[in-house]
Amino acid sequence: DADVTQTPRNRITKTGKRIMLECSQTKGHDRMYWYRQDPGLGLRLIYYSFDVKDINKGEISDGYSVSRQAQAKFSLSLESAIPNQTALYFCATSDSAPNEQYFGPGTRLTVT
Amino acid sequence: SQQGEEDPQALSIQEGENATMNCSYKTSINNLQWYRQNSGRGLVHLILIRSNEREKHSGRLRVTLDTSKKSSSLLITASRAADTASYFCATELSYIPTFGRGTSLIVHP
Repeated sequence: DADVTQTPRNRITKTGKRIMLECSQTKGHDRMYWYRQDPGLGLRLIYYSFDVKDINKGEISDGYSVSRQAQAKFSLSLESAIPNQTALYFCATSDSAPNEQYFGPGTRLTVT
Repeated sequence: SQQGEEDPQALSIQEGENATMNCSYKTSINNLQWYRQNSGRGLVHLILIRSNEREKHSGRLRVTLDTSKKSSSLLITASRAADTASYFCATELSYIPTFGRGTSLIVHP
């Protein structure tokens, strides 16, 4: 089984809808991250969490929120989806050091 | 803003040739990492080089780091068609990695 899983893998939703992307990991890592990837822009950090009680905004947190339900679970929510949030979303985990990241397979989100 | 910038943006070579891609960054770092991404999939970690290291090897991969020039290079020797992917550098300071836009490598069989 994959160490980092994301659900759903693909999602099409309409503008204004609330949507949640979920991430689970079995690696026992404390640190978890959410990124979005747009063509030509690489990966940009949305939110990160260093432990269950720690939540931090990344480079592009506007329009997103997160919840760290447990060490193994980190969810990303779009409260009111808009078309420019159409992107590929990745969850990643890492240990405290040396911070090599392990990525999930991604969620392809389309907002129409 | 993105810390690391890869160069070139795209690279096309024949199988058996070497592929070199570069990463430049702007501020001090603790370490620099290289990742590979096959089309539309999650990134896979390739190699990490710390700020006090100058060169590391892993199989056919060779990474160099020049902190005075704030640059790193990734060399893939004897490339294979399976090396076709996008390659990203990620610089890290204070445990937050920042990814570049990537180099798209195509290896023709």
